[in-house]
Amino acid sequence: AQSVAQPEDQVNVAEGNPLTVKCTYSVSGNPYLFWYVQYPNRGLQFLLKYITGDNLVKGSYGFEAEFNKSQTSFHLKKPSALVSDSALYFCAVPLYGNNRLAFGKGNQVVVIP
Amino acid sequence: DAGVTQSPTHLIKTRGQQVTLRCSPKSGHDTVSWYQQALGQGPQFIFQYYEEEERQRGNFPDRFSGHQFPNYSSELNVNALLLGDSALYLCASSLSQGYMNTEAFFGQGTRLTVV
Repeated sequence: AQSVAQPEDQVNVAEGNPLTVKCTYSVSGNPYLFWYVQYPNRGLQFLLKYITGDNLVKGSYGFEAEFNKSQTSFHLKKPSALVSDSALYFCAVPLYGNNRLAFGKGNQVVVIP
Repeated sequence: DAGVTQSPTHLIKTRGQQVTLRCSPKSGHDTVSWYQQALGQGPQFIFQYYEEEERQRGNFPDRFSGHQFPNYSSELNVNALLLGDSALYLCASSLSQGYMNTEAFFGQGTRLTVV
């Protein structure tokens, strides 16, 4: 079955430092992978997606993600974290087509001023 | 473009009651999916509606039902509420012909508390 895993519960990073949020996947065939962000008391906002092509995907708010087939990973990155990046981040994979998404458990990111 | 809108934003119900949550999809989208997000968890797929029919269903009991209207808006109904139904309910809209590579757009959610 298609699934993603987010091995860390919380990521703490100082403002201005690089931010990495980890995601590994288990997908048969060519994977489609998504990252979403959830701010407090809000719904999910789309950040970026990997479909095919370049392994480095650029998304919203300065985020990017690196697709690594050999390590079955799709880590989210930002070169310089902002306090406003503090939020819950979800990796997701579509199941059975038509945007039925399976989400990881989420990573709480805390950016320390 | 108003995006995906959900109502109400918060709701408190008593065990055993019934609740109806509403969702208007993003303009131009024809597919609506519902998710349940318990505290500290990732969203779990409930079901998906397209052309006014339930197209896919996750592992949720029949107490959870839905409807899609001709204007693509949708309702989620939960009967015989349990304390464990307390969660954030998210609606997501998408294009049916986008298949697996089109992102879904989410509403802000309805926070349901069952007491």
